[in-house]
Amino acid sequence: QKEVEQNSGPLSVPEGAIASLNCTYSDRGSQSFFWYRQYSGKSPELIMSIYSNGDKEDGRFTAQLNKASQYVSLLIRDSQPSDSATYLCAVIYGQNFVFGPGTRLSVLP
Amino acid sequence: NAGVTQTPKFQVLKTGQSMTLQCAQDMNHNSMYWYRQDPGMGLRLIYYSASEGTTDKGEVPNGYNVSRLNKREFSLRLESAAPSQTSVYFCASSEGTGWDQPQHFGDGTRLSIL
Repeated sequence: QKEVEQNSGPLSVPEGAIASLNCTYSDRGSQSFFWYRQYSGKSPELIMSIYSNGDKEDGRFTAQLNKASQYVSLLIRDSQPSDSATYLCAVIYGQNFVFGPGTRLSVLP
Repeated sequence: NAGVTQTPKFQVLKTGQSMTLQCAQDMNHNSMYWYRQDPGMGLRLIYYSASEGTTDKGEVPNGYNVSRLNKREFSLRLESAAPSQTSVYFCASSEGTGWDQPQHFGDGTRLSIL
C-alpha cells in the first residue's frame, strides 16, 4: 500500500510567522513530489514541484525534500490570512499519483 | 485561457440513474485524470488516460466508466448511481504521458445521489 501521510491539522500560525507543513511517504523509490493548495470549495492548485534532495524556493514558499528520510515539507514565510487553506502533498508512485489527506492551515490576523 | 473545464458544476441524481460528467482541456495536454474527493479520504484516482485512445483504472474504478473522446475531452460515466458515489469529482490534465508531470485541475462537479 503506497501511502502519503500528513498531519490533518488544523495548524494555526499568527500572521507574519513561518508555517511548516510536513509530509511523509512510504516508497523510497519515489522521484517526484508536489504541493497543492486547496481553498474551501475550490479545486487543488499547484504550488511547487520538487524532484531533487534539498530546498527549492519560489517567492514565500520553500519546498524541502529528504529522500533518505522519506519526507517532503513546505515552508511558507511571512504567512498571510490569504494562505489559509488545505495543503495537499502528492507523490508519484510508479504509475500512480497519490495524494495525502491534506493539512488545514489557518493564519490568524 | 480556460484550462480544464468541467460540466456540470452541480448535479443531484436518484439512485439507479445514469449520467456523464464532461471534461475538456485546452492546454494540448496528453494525459487526463478523474478523481473523487471525499471528506477525510483525500483525492482518489478513478481512471486516467495517458494518451488519446488509452484508458486505465485507478484506485477506485468500480461503478464508473470513462471515454477519451479525443485529445481534449475525457468523460466519466456513472451507469447506475449509488449513494456511495456522492462526492466531488475533479478532472485533471498533465502535459506528458508519464507520471512525473504536475496535474492541473478543473473546478469540480459536486454530485449528490439520493
